[in-house]
Amino acid sequence: AQSVTQLDSQVPVFEEAPVELRCNYSSSVSVYLFWYVQYPNQGLQLLLKYLSGSTLVKGINGFEAEFNKSQTSFHLRKPSVHISDTAEYFCAVSGEYGNKLVFGAGTILRVKS
Amino acid sequence: SQTIHQWPATLVQPVGSPLSLECTVEGTSNPNLYWYRQAAGRGLQLLFYSVGIGQISSEVPQNLSASRPQDRQFILSSKKLLLSDSGFYLCAWSRRLAADNEQFFGPGTRLTVL
Repeated sequence: AQSVTQLDSQVPVFEEAPVELRCNYSSSVSVYLFWYVQYPNQGLQLLLKYLSGSTLVKGINGFEAEFNKSQTSFHLRKPSVHISDTAEYFCAVSGEYGNKLVFGAGTILRVKS
Repeated sequence: SQTIHQWPATLVQPVGSPLSLECTVEGTSNPNLYWYRQAAGRGLQLLFYSVGIGQISSEVPQNLSASRPQDRQFILSSKKLLLSDSGFYLCAWSRRLAADNEQFFGPGTRLTVL
């Protein structure tokens, strides 16, 4: 069965520092991978997705993620964060359950000044 | 372009009262539709999904139900709310024939049961 593990429930970081949010998945089939962001009291917004091809995926707001098939990982990175990046980030995978996405538990990114 | 609406945005209801949350999608046809709940500190829980009018799959047994009376309308209901029904309810849609199942989310409804 597919599953997604987000290794950190909260990540505190100072403004302008780099950040990495970790995501590992398990699946018996080829996968599509996603990162979503949720600001307080809002819906989820797609940051980026990996479907195929280049393993480095660039998304909105300066975020990027790297698909590593051997490590079954899809970590999200940003070289320099802003206060406005404070939000909850969800990793998700699809491919095994037809019409459904499997989400991780989420990582809260707190950017401090 | 496609848009997804949810209403109401916030709702405060007493225990034992009924519930009806509505979700509509514009700008697309034959979408897959989903209801999720976020309880405090518990991540995203898929409640129901639908691949067509009248076709509802339930993911978690509970006192909630869902209906899809029209192609782009998805309703979440309850006859009697419980305290544990409090949370943030999200509706989402995806393209019927999209292999990747990318989902597009609505703005959410904050439900507080007192």
